[in-house]
Amino acid sequence: DGGITQSPKYLFRKEGQNVTLSCEQNLNHDAMYWYRQDPGQGLRLIYYSQIVNDFQKGDIAEGYSVSREKKESFPLTVTSAQKNPTAFYLCASRAGTGGKESQPQHFGDGTRLSIL
Amino acid sequence: AQSVTQLGSHVSVSEGALVLLRCNYSSSVPPYLFWYVQYPNQGLQLLLKYTSAATLVKGINGFEAEFKKSETSFHLTKPSAHMSDAAEYFCAVSDPLTGGGNKLTFGTGTQLKVEL
Repeated sequence: DGGITQSPKYLFRKEGQNVTLSCEQNLNHDAMYWYRQDPGQGLRLIYYSQIVNDFQKGDIAEGYSVSREKKESFPLTVTSAQKNPTAFYLCASRAGTGGKESQPQHFGDGTRLSIL
Repeated sequence: AQSVTQLGSHVSVSEGALVLLRCNYSSSVPPYLFWYVQYPNQGLQLLLKYTSAATLVKGINGFEAEFKKSETSFHLTKPSAHMSDAAEYFCAVSDPLTGGGNKLTFGTGTQLKVEL
């Protein structure tokens, strides 16, 4: 079955450490997104990418970095500059760009990041 | 800028009762609208979407929503609640004119509790 796979499901970060969250999709979707979810705040967009080798900052990009070297992969790195990284991170993808804005985003099952 | 307001962060209903979850949006043009459901420690699952066709949209699990332009609303309803409906529900809006990756703006969510 096609879908979005996020790994690991749980991740712990030590102070001063960078950690990378994996997101892989086999839906052949062009666009991919990373969201951060905190209780009572809904989802906030961190980064998004419409095509390979291109990505844009979302609303809360500070302290995060991404890459898009392959269509199916969009890893997120939480750097030591992110002072409050404890949250639930969701990856999403969407079919097509340009004229396909009505297509919904599809989500993975998330990674929960905590500080040791 | 577009925005989404979900009235009531927590809603409690009895099993078999009507479910009504409220969503109001702010957008300069008729947007695309989505309702998602999230079960604990999982990603978001699409319930239904409005993309300027019929104003009454039917989704999965017996849910439906009606787009009312005059009220800038897209409330989610289900005639008879089931225990399995207990989850968090998110309304999201996409402005068809922004293009640029079809970013979704999410509401802060409504936690639905279903009681016996």
